[in-house]
Amino acid sequence: AQTVTQSQPEMSVQEAETVTLSCTYDTSESNYYLFWYKQPPSRQMILVIRQEAYKQQNATENRFSVNFQKAAKSFSLKISDSQLGDTAMYFCAFMKLPSSVIQGAQKLVFGQGTRLTINP
Amino acid sequence: DAMVIQNPRYQVTQFGKPVTLSCSQTLNHNVMYWYQQKSSQAPKLLFHYYDKDFNNEADTPDNFQSRRPNTSFCFLDIRSPGLGDAAMYLCATSRGDHRGETQYFGPGTRLLVL
Repeated sequence: AQTVTQSQPEMSVQEAETVTLSCTYDTSESNYYLFWYKQPPSRQMILVIRQEAYKQQNATENRFSVNFQKAAKSFSLKISDSQLGDTAMYFCAFMKLPSSVIQGAQKLVFGQGTRLTINP
Repeated sequence: DAMVIQNPRYQVTQFGKPVTLSCSQTLNHNVMYWYQQKSSQAPKLLFHYYDKDFNNEADTPDNFQSRRPNTSFCFLDIRSPGLGDAAMYLCATSRGDHRGETQYFGPGTRLLVL
């Protein structure tokens, strides 16, 4: 079974600073995706960024980027120029891919989350 | 535009009194998921539907049931809620045919058991 570990329960930075959230995972699979989801207070969880395990290039989405170290099974999220709206719970998640046809659910295994607060 | 809608947002029930939580989607996705999220914990998958096919997680208690009468709607039934069932219940959807596809979440229903 896959496990996902986020070792930082809480983090706090000043607005405009850069912050890095850590995530490690354990799997014997070779074909998978990794995700960061954001859950703002009292609002729904939304996708921040995803990374396919076969891609060596780290994914980026505007101010959000990842550092994917496959051998180390590490998947950290970097938020540059942090904004007040980035305050949220951040979950790292693992998705195993089926070996053949993609048809059906692709389940997520979530880490425990990191509560990030951006201070003005 | 609301894509995954959950009603109600807050639900209070009594110990042992059956309760139903509702989820609807406007995305026409094939897969609908129900997660339980307790305070400061990771969401835990309870079960999912792929179209009309129901898939239960091995450790989901029998107390939890689900119905999907059509593509748009999915219900979570808790037959006899206990105090330990107080949690946020999240509904999510996905297409079911795309590698590494995004799951789209609703805002959740917070259940309180008295």
